Parts: sequence; C-alpha cells; structure tokens
Amino acid sequence: DSGVTQTPKHLITATGQRVTLRCSPRSGDLSVYWYQQSLDQGLQFLIQYYNGEERAKGNILERFSAQQFPDLHSELNLSSLELGDSALYFCASSVSGEGFTQHFGDGTRLSIL
Amino acid sequence: GIQVEQSPPDLILQEGANSTLRCNFSDSVNNLQWFHQNPWGQLINLFYIPSGTKQNGRLSATTVATERYSLLYISSSQTTDSGVYFCAVHSAGGTSYGKLTFGQGTILTVHP
Repeated sequence: DSGVTQTPKHLITATGQRVTLRCSPRSGDLSVYWYQQSLDQGLQFLIQYYNGEERAKGNILERFSAQQFPDLHSELNLSSLELGDSALYFCASSVSGEGFTQHFGDGTRLSIL
Repeated sequence: GIQVEQSPPDLILQEGANSTLRCNFSDSVNNLQWFHQNPWGQLINLFYIPSGTKQNGRLSATTVATERYSLLYISSSQTTDSGVYFCAVHSAGGTSYGKLTFGQGTILTVHP
C-alpha cells in the first residue's frame, strides 16, 4: 500500500461528459502529480501541485484542469470527454518536489463509451 | 526534454532464470525510479536510485549516473514477476519541477 488513495477505481461515461478524479496524498506529502497512461502515448505527466500551487505542467489538454485543496487532496477534472481520453489516470505524491521518491496510487481507469 | 530508452522491449523467461533490464537516459538526473506494473495495473515502486546500488530481496538495481544508465537485476524469477517494468527519471537540468519522464517499459513474462 503506497498510502496514496485514488477514487473512483473505475469510471465509465459517455462522450461529451465531465468527470472528477480525486486523490488523497500520503500523510505529510506536499506535492501531488497527475499522470495519464494510454496505449498509444504511454505514461505521461500531466500536472503537478505543491502545497496548493501549480508547479509544473505537461501536455495537459485545455479540457482538463486540476487543483489542490488546503487539506492537500487534489482533483483532476476532465470535461467534454472524447473517446481518446480513455486511459488509466495515476496520482502520485512526494514529500517535496524534485529529487524525492514519488509514490503512486492504484489509478482510476476511465472508459469513454 | 530528457529521453529515456528501455531495453529489451520484451523478455520471456522460465521460472528460476535471471534477467537484466536496462534504462538509458539522455541527461543528468536527480531522481530515477524503477516500477513494476502488475497485471491489475498497479504501479509498484521498486527502487529510488538516482545513483549507486541497492538490493531488495531478489531484485537489485545499479545506476551509473556519469554514464547515464541504470540496470535492474531480477534473480530466480517467479511467475509473479511478470508484468511491465518502467524506468522513470527527473532531469536535474529541467524546468519541469519534479516531473518524471517514463520509458516505454520492458514487458516481462515468466513461464512456470
């Protein structure tokens, strides 16, 4: 058990819809990261927050947004969903930023029908 | 950005065999992690090893930072070792604070 909790584990929805993925980091970790794993793109970094502030952005689509709340949990919002958004979405957390071990949650498997 | 290449892409073993997986990276790193993704999709953190050598049971890893590569050794492989092994790095000179860049993975299949 990594200590990182992601909910829900599975999500099935339709094109055009909006979903919210939730992540609770390990106790004491200030940084939260979101990654997307798809068959064609592999594992890719989306966005990072540190203590409530956005720190780094990857190839995150404009339809996607995230935030980190004062209690340090994070949410990833995906809107106007397309078939190509079907993927496994991971959240990771670390004590601080670069140079520290990132611990991954079990992921949310998103299927768009 | 930093490039990460893993080899071999696929590996098939008989139970009890040993194997070595390689990860080459194109820039200096201050974070390198090895992961095992099991058939259920979980990413299991095996090692945090930006330099040096570590061992954990039948698994060990070595990173030679000056030559920009890392090796993961699996000894006496078991069927439960099957899955995908990923190397992920953070570039020391990068601007993406904390971001990990993943290799494409090595698919390991261990037959009984």
